[in-house]
Amino acid sequence: DAGITQSPRHKVTETGTPVTLRCHQTENHRYMYWYRQDPGHGLRLIHYSYGVKDTDKGEVSDGYSVSRSKTEDFLLTLESATSSQTSVYFCAITKGLGGGETQYFGPGTRLLVL
Amino acid sequence: RKEVEQDPGPFNVPEGATVAFNCTYSNSASQSFFWYRQDCRKEPKLLMSVYSSGNEDGRFTAQLNRASQYISLLIRDSKLSDSATYLCVVNENNAGNMLTFGGGTRLMVKP
Repeated sequence: DAGITQSPRHKVTETGTPVTLRCHQTENHRYMYWYRQDPGHGLRLIHYSYGVKDTDKGEVSDGYSVSRSKTEDFLLTLESATSSQTSVYFCAITKGLGGGETQYFGPGTRLLVL
Repeated sequence: RKEVEQDPGPFNVPEGATVAFNCTYSNSASQSFFWYRQDCRKEPKLLMSVYSSGNEDGRFTAQLNRASQYISLLIRDSKLSDSATYLCVVNENNAGNMLTFGGGTRLMVKP
């Protein structure tokens, strides 16, 4: 258990509305990530953060913004949701693993944009 | 061309069978390798790391061939509970500690 929670766990919204997803971690990890997972595409990185107020784009960042004002929280915002953003969103942190590091995931948020 | 490629399956095997999954990666600078397991409608969870010397964890054996850029996972004595999607994951040694995920191989173990 990597101490990661995501909220909300499920959300239904309408096209054009703003949506914010929250990722919260309790272990003070520096790196945090947002992914989306869709059938046929696997996990794709949206944005990541390497510290408070330090973020960078991933593979599929268009239409998304992020913020990290505290170590424990990493927010993902869809400024104007579109149906193509219907997906499962996972947050992750990087954690040491005996000589290497890998990522541990939150439980996910299922988003449906109508 | 995908950076991490896996056969999507599904692999349908009877309980007790041995099954092997393979994965290839394209970036020769990749440093770390992992297998994750993902159950339906759940998050991916780390199954095991993959080391050059090969490593074993109970019924699971992972191997890495750097020369061929190839990773494998062997599951012996398959259990019904092994049914899941197995993701091959590569750390390409980039600044953001970013991982590259394969599309996953689905395993279904039947009684």
